[in-house]
Amino acid sequence: GEDVEQSLFLSVREGDSSVINCTYTDSSSTYLYWYKQEPGAGLQLLTYIFSNMDMKQDQRLTVLLNKKDKHLSLRIADTQTGDSAIYFCAESPMNTGFQKLVFGTGTRLLVSP
Amino acid sequence: NAGVTQTPKFQVLKTGQSMTLQCAQDMNHEYMSWYRQDPGMGLRLIHYSVGAGITDQGEVPNGYNVSRSTTEDFPLRLLSAAPSQTSVYFCASSYSSGNNEQYFGPGTRLTVT
Repeated sequence: GEDVEQSLFLSVREGDSSVINCTYTDSSSTYLYWYKQEPGAGLQLLTYIFSNMDMKQDQRLTVLLNKKDKHLSLRIADTQTGDSAIYFCAESPMNTGFQKLVFGTGTRLLVSP
Repeated sequence: NAGVTQTPKFQVLKTGQSMTLQCAQDMNHEYMSWYRQDPGMGLRLIHYSVGAGITDQGEVPNGYNVSRSTTEDFPLRLLSAAPSQTSVYFCASSYSSGNNEQYFGPGTRLTVT
């Protein structure tokens, strides 16, 4: 079955780059997503990548995918205090008809001034 | 567009009581789903629907019922609440089940005593 794992916590200083990592287990084609959750709020889609891609860049966000190791990372350049939140990695495998999202446990990012 | 709306925002129930969590979207999305979020466990899929009149079980469906009589609404019913159902519940929707770019509601925080 599908399983998505993330480290629980990351602390960085304002202006540094943040790298949040995720590993997944499903071997079928899949969409991979990064969501952001601020305190008391729902999840906000940041970006996504399909498993036939290696990289995707969107302003300060860079997603890197290592298909061989099933490793996904989200890099946030010039991290700001407003980036403090929980970041969830999720996959939506083709063998579920892309109908189900499987989430990791989330990584809490703390940005200090 | 209001996006995905959920009511109530907070609810306290006694063990054995029943209630319905409401979810509505005004984006004409075909796909809707319910998740629960527990500390350290990420989000887990409860039930989902790929269109009006069609529902299916997710990862943790026991103790919950759903129906989808209209495209806009996807209520979640707890028939006999248990303390194990204390959680934050999120409703989400997307245009279709492929490329599952889901939009999340703000959540309902439920406590069962």
